[in-house]
Amino acid sequence: GQQLNQSPQSMFIQEGEDVSMNCTSSSIFNTWLWYKQDPGEGPVLLIALYKAGELTSNGRLTAQFGITRKDSFLNISASIPSDVGIYFCCAGKSTFGDGTTLTVKP
Amino acid sequence: DGGITQSPKYLFRKEGQNVTLSCEQNLNHDAMYWYRQDPGQGLRLIYYSQIVNDFQKGDIAEGYSVSREKKESFPLTVTSAQKNPTAFYLCASSAGILPYEQYFGPGTRLTVT
Repeated sequence: GQQLNQSPQSMFIQEGEDVSMNCTSSSIFNTWLWYKQDPGEGPVLLIALYKAGELTSNGRLTAQFGITRKDSFLNISASIPSDVGIYFCCAGKSTFGDGTTLTVKP
Repeated sequence: DGGITQSPKYLFRKEGQNVTLSCEQNLNHDAMYWYRQDPGQGLRLIYYSQIVNDFQKGDIAEGYSVSREKKESFPLTVTSAQKNPTAFYLCASSAGILPYEQYFGPGTRLTVT
């Protein structure tokens, strides 16, 4: 099946720092979504992107749908301890990246 | 409260036994999905259903079976043919195939020994 390359695999940051992660694909997709998963729980949708070039914010989160339709990034500003978790990109109907594990040190 | 429920949260089975995982939604969503998650990996699609009495194989359907007799329910059976069944299983639903925004249940952790 199609694959997404999500990076970085993990991040260790101090509280208050900004975070950036991205996903790339060799295929074109018409939608990009970002989810967050807490340990032992199901993922929760953070942001959905439906148009190439679209930049969307949700509180401290900002995500962009790449103009080539082959990539997307997610930024988290001023991180807080509850941002800890695994962040997944998802392209198209159900192609998921392997996740970025975020650890925030108080 | 609208949402997706999966039961049980933890399930233990002996090798060679079939086991059925439950997934129920009261969101009135047409589409439902089953994913498998292994440690350090993303979600891999097992089966999905766009409408009652219809379902399609995902990327890793071998050793699994599903049914969609009711809009609210999409049970997954892990058969003895699945070579490595121990994993975290997630069920999701969406209003349709478009948009793709999926709502996930809390997951079932299956351990087969």
